[in-house]
Parts: sequence; structure tokens; C-alpha cells
Amino acid sequence: GAVVSQHPSWVICKSGTSVKIECRSLDFQATTMFWYRQFPKQSLMLMATSNEGSKATYEQGVEKDKFLINHASLTLSTLTVTSAHPEDSSFYICSARDPQGRVDEQFFGPGTRLTVL
Amino acid sequence: QKEVEQNSGPLSVPEGAIASLNCTYSDRGSQSFFWYRQYSGKSPELIMSIYSNGDKEDGRFTAQLNKASQYVSLLIRDSQPSDSATYLCAVTHSGYALNFGKGTSLLVTP
Repeated sequence: GAVVSQHPSWVICKSGTSVKIECRSLDFQATTMFWYRQFPKQSLMLMATSNEGSKATYEQGVEKDKFLINHASLTLSTLTVTSAHPEDSSFYICSARDPQGRVDEQFFGPGTRLTVL
Repeated sequence: QKEVEQNSGPLSVPEGAIASLNCTYSDRGSQSFFWYRQYSGKSPELIMSIYSNGDKEDGRFTAQLNKASQYVSLLIRDSQPSDSATYLCAVTHSGYALNFGKGTSLLVTP
């Protein structure tokens, strides 16, 4: 299957700082990437859909000014958590859809564990 | 609200047995169905995709889809302790984001 990477794999930051997470498709060009958040013992919750060259589409309840998403190239999408607070501590996972692959299949990055102190 | 329902478990099966995981969904327009495996602290890994009614087999895994009953299942034959994980059912329309269930925790005991 297609390979998606994320960086960093974990980050600890102080409350009020901003954190940037990168998501890369390594062996394919992803026109669409997705950002999810997962709290302990809960399922994945879609935060936003990111399309290359256009503004991200955010799910209801997700603050677009707090979670900035940029999809500037076909292989890179970034999520910036601005002014992070302890309640933003979570497991952030990106996924990408390979347009040459099977319909609707998504491949997930390894995730970024964010801890805000 | 488009729902994907799974029994949270844990489902406990002895090593070598068949594990049966079930999922129902509410959106009749759903076209693509997936099973992901997620180990604790890791991201989901795609196991199976299924798009049409019937069975689809891949190694020890068999996905079953019944669109009339809005039901999709995953069978794991010859279960191994390494299969112990949370299994996520995901459903979508073509081109849309995946809608995940909350997952079923599977425990395979030696």
C-alpha cells in the first residue's frame, strides 16, 4: 500500500505555544489528505479535509483559526495547532487518498502524539 | 447523523479460533466499506476493503457485505495473539471522508 509519513511522532509543548505537524505522501501524489484526532479509548474524529491548492474543509465544531491546515503541494499537508492548551493534547493522525489506488482507500500516517503542559 | 455501529467488546477468542467482528451502518447510500486494525498507541492499518455484496477473502481475513441489511463483518480465521487489537469499521460514499465506528477490541488468548 501507499506510504504516508508524519513528523514529529511526538511533541511536548507549553500552553500557549504553536505546534506544526507535517504529513507527507512518500510514493504517490495525494490531492486529498485528511486530519483526524483521537482521544484515549475513542475512535478517530475527522477534523478537516485538505485539498491541494485550496482551503481546507473543517468539520462542525473544529475551529479553523485554531487548527490551521495548509496543503501547498501534492505530497505535503501541515496542521498547525495555534495557542495550544492542555485540552488539545491528543493523538493527531493524517491520512491520504491515492488517486491511482482503489476507490476511497485511505492510508494513514503513523500519528503525532501532542502533549500540552 | 450517519452512524456506524460496532460492539465495543472486548471480544475474547482462544488462539486458533475464528473471530467474528460486526458493523452496521445507517447511510443506505454508502458505497465503500473498510476494516482497519489499530494497535494501542498506533495509527490504523488498512486490512480489507469491500465494495459489493458478498464475501471477499484475503489470507486469514474475510470481509462480508450485505447492503440490504446495512451490515458488514470481518472474520479472522486461525486467530493469533498478534491479532489482538482494536478493529475499526469505516464506511463512505465515493469521494467523501471515511465515517468510523468506535471499534471493537479483540483479545486472542494463547
